[in-house]
Amino acid sequence: ETGVTQSPTHLIKTRGQQVTLRCSSQSGHNTVSWYQQALGQGPQFIFQYYREEENGRGNFPPRFSGLQFPNYSSELNVNALELDDSALYLCASSSKRQGIDGYTFGSGTRLTVV
Amino acid sequence: QQQVKQSPQSLIVQKGGISIINCAYENTAFDYFPWYQQFPGKGPALLIAIRPDVSEKKEGRFTISFNKSAKQFSLHIMDSQPGDSATYFCAASAGTGTYKYIFGTGTRLKVLA
Repeated sequence: ETGVTQSPTHLIKTRGQQVTLRCSSQSGHNTVSWYQQALGQGPQFIFQYYREEENGRGNFPPRFSGLQFPNYSSELNVNALELDDSALYLCASSSKRQGIDGYTFGSGTRLTVV
Repeated sequence: QQQVKQSPQSLIVQKGGISIINCAYENTAFDYFPWYQQFPGKGPALLIAIRPDVSEKKEGRFTISFNKSAKQFSLHIMDSQPGDSATYFCAASAGTGTYKYIFGTGTRLKVLA
């Protein structure tokens, strides 16, 4: 059973640029959630995808968008990057049939905006 | 009302001691309370979780105590080991609709050898 894999592991972007982060969910999981973790803080919910549809969104602006593909993998896109977007971006997969039990996180993508 | 308040921010414990981390919440719709352990450079990993129908859950050296009336829950790490040194996050979720977690701000635990 493979876990959640995220790519890239680290990324440096310039303010105003756009970035795409990728996530492969754990085998058997059909729901993907994205979280932003600022340094020294707890993860903050960005949004969740289930069956390729957005299934809830946290308090993040529209320049944060996402996709889920038929194989349940997912992308997080951030447009017009700001310095405050610098954070660890975590992807978590789960089986919606099970509810939130078994929420598995990837190791994250460390995004630095300069 | 969506917040989960976690304390202390940091904790230093001697090897073999008991580490205790506390969390409090306001939203009575929360019905799932996991604890996550995070090592530097890694994503959070589920440690143990509880639902409000029980007051305590134990898995190995880790115990969650849950007080529904006080809207508080805590993690106890018995016989703390240097390998337990990590950041611990409590979280809460309401089990309907979007299964999102509200995380606490984290507790950095250091266990001295």
